[in-house]
Amino acid sequence: AQKVTQAQTEISVVEKEDVTLDCVYETRDTTYYLFWYKQPPSGELVFLIRRNSFDEQNEISGRYSWNFQKSTSSFNFTITASQVVDSAVYFCALSEGGTYKYIFGTGTRLKVLA
Amino acid sequence: SAVISQKPSRDICQRGTSLTIQCQVDSQVTMMFWYRQQPGQSLTLIATANQGSEATYESGFVIDKFPISRPNLTFSTLTVSNMSPEDSSIYLCSATDTSGANVLTFGAGSRLTVL
Repeated sequence: AQKVTQAQTEISVVEKEDVTLDCVYETRDTTYYLFWYKQPPSGELVFLIRRNSFDEQNEISGRYSWNFQKSTSSFNFTITASQVVDSAVYFCALSEGGTYKYIFGTGTRLKVLA
Repeated sequence: SAVISQKPSRDICQRGTSLTIQCQVDSQVTMMFWYRQQPGQSLTLIATANQGSEATYESGFVIDKFPISRPNLTFSTLTVSNMSPEDSSIYLCSATDTSGANVLTFGAGSRLTVL
């Protein structure tokens, strides 16, 4: 069965600190997609990244980076030099190949303090 | 990517009433979905809105409670029927990204409070 676990319910950091948000997934499919979304206080989910199961390359986009490791079924998200504007709830999600059905984790609330 | 507009953005409703949420996409999309996010919780898929046919509901959600329409490729509605306080949630409309990259775009959500 599909499952996404975000064990960190809430994280607080001081501005400029680095922070890593953990995501562990379960699936029986060999083809699947992993996602991260940001939900700021306004409520709208903002797409951050999509990764397919055949691409284990890590990705960096500005202050954001993602580490995908199939061996540990993890897809962790790191924010470098965090800023107050990074404060939001971050969701990790999984969809199995051929479907648009997403399974979301429970989210991690990140608070970045000035 | 597609831009999704939802209305109402928020509403306060009385127990036993029904409310219809509208979702408008600025371009034609293949698939549209409705999610529920209960207070402080994750997102749960309610149903897939199928154009021209009955929606496909996930386990735990039924058509009588959450009737859905999708008359064309850019518009869908979700009705929350006979509401109770347990229906207080954010309801989000989503659609497939037009790039075909299996990415969902979400609306800003409709926050319902049932008294």
